[in-house]
Amino acid sequence: QVQLVESGGGVVQPGRSLRLSCAASGFTFSSNAVHWVRQAPGKGLEWVAVISYDGRNKFYGDSVKGRFTISRDNSKNTLYLQMNSLTPEDTAVYYCVVGAANYFDNWGQGTLVTVSS
Amino acid sequence: EIVMTQSPATLSVSPGERATLSCRASQSVSSNYLAWYQQKPGQAPRLLIYGASTRATGIPARFSGSGSGTEFTLTISSLQSEDSAVYYCQHYTDWPLTFGGGTKVEI
Repeated sequence: QVQLVESGGGVVQPGRSLRLSCAASGFTFSSNAVHWVRQAPGKGLEWVAVISYDGRNKFYGDSVKGRFTISRDNSKNTLYLQMNSLTPEDTAVYYCVVGAANYFDNWGQGTLVTVSS
Repeated sequence: EIVMTQSPATLSVSPGERATLSCRASQSVSSNYLAWYQQKPGQAPRLLIYGASTRATGIPARFSGSGSGTEFTLTISSLQSEDSAVYYCQHYTDWPLTFGGGTKVEI
C-alpha cells in the first residue's frame, strides 16, 4: 500500500532554514505529482506546494512563495521541501500528500516544525 | 484565490441524527472539483468525497456529497460516535488549492 514517511522536522530559530524529506513507497512515485500540506497547531489545513511528476512544474501557496522550494528525486522516491527565512507563522505539522487529481487520498503521518527562539 | 467558507463552525448532534455541513466558494468551482476530508485528533486527514459527490474507497454510504458552482454540502445520514471529527472541504480547480476552515462535529 501507499506509504509516505516525512522526516526532518524539529525546532529552528526564526530566520533559519530547514529541509524536510518524504520517502514514498507502494506506488509509482515518478508518475505522480506530490504536494506538501501543513497544519498549524489547533488550526486548519493549508496547502503549501506541488511538484509535477517530472519536477518541471511547481506551484506554491502565497504565504511561502519565494521562501520555500519543493523538489524531488525520482531515483530515490523522495520528495523535499527546502524552507528558508522561517518565521513563527511557519510552525506546523507538514504533511506529504499524493492523490489522483489534486485531491488527497494518501497522507503521511506528518513532521512537526517549530520556529522559535 | 478561491476562498472556501464552511459553516457552521461547530455542530452538536445526537447519534442517529442527520448532520448537514456547508461549504461555500468565493467563485465557481469548475467541474465540481471539490473534496471533503475527515480529521480526528492526532491523525492525518482522510479523504471522504471527491468530485463533489463521489465517495472515496472504503467510505461508508452514510457519507454523501452534493452541490455545484459555489455551494456544496456534506451530509452524514445517521451519525455514529466514530464520526466525531473535524471536516474540511477543499477545491482543486486551480492554484492555489485552498481548504475551508473546517466544521467540528460533536456527538
